[in-house]
Amino acid sequence: TQLLEQSPQFLSIQEGENLTVYCNSSSVFSSLQWYRQEPGEGPVLLVTVVTGGEVKKLKRLTFQFGDARKDSSLHITAAQPGDTGLYLCALGGNEKLTFGTGTRLTIIP
Amino acid sequence: DVKVTQSSRYLVKRTGEKVFLECVQDMDHENMFWYRQDPGLGLRLIYFSYDVKMKEKGDIPEGYSVSREKKERFSLILESASTNQTSMYLCASWGQNNYGYTFGSGTRLTVV
Repeated sequence: TQLLEQSPQFLSIQEGENLTVYCNSSSVFSSLQWYRQEPGEGPVLLVTVVTGGEVKKLKRLTFQFGDARKDSSLHITAAQPGDTGLYLCALGGNEKLTFGTGTRLTIIP
Repeated sequence: DVKVTQSSRYLVKRTGEKVFLECVQDMDHENMFWYRQDPGLGLRLIYFSYDVKMKEKGDIPEGYSVSREKKERFSLILESASTNQTSMYLCASWGQNNYGYTFGSGTRLTVV
């Protein structure tokens, strides 16, 4: 069973600050996805990364897949209150995904 | 706009009741999934289905069953609800041309 650890578990920062959250696996994986979940809603897919060293940008969010394909990071620039939520990474193939326990991010206005 | 719809946002049931959680998707996806989400434990896979009338056990199937009689509908059944099944239940689907899951809004089930 692949273990997927996310850090930090909780993060609370002021609006306008930058932040990075991490996702680490105990083994190499073929692809990784990041989701954001707002309170009372289901997770929503943000991005999928498949190539070692890959970097993808989604407005103020930058996703990086480690060269060894065992880790990933999500960097948010100039955080806004709308970024508040639970950030989940997930790995696996087309069928079953294994999810990390998430980073709960709170942006303070 | 593509959708996964879960029939109830909140449910309160008594111990021992049989509980049905319904999920419908309108994207013609082959794969459907049921997860439960608990604080500190993340999302854990209960059951999934690759096609109509097919089902596979996930990581925590005990106490649950599923039904998939039509492609668009995947039902989760708690045969005899217990308090340790109080949780947020999330349904998701995945099609061959997709790169990720589409989730429903979840059903928060409380068993008293």
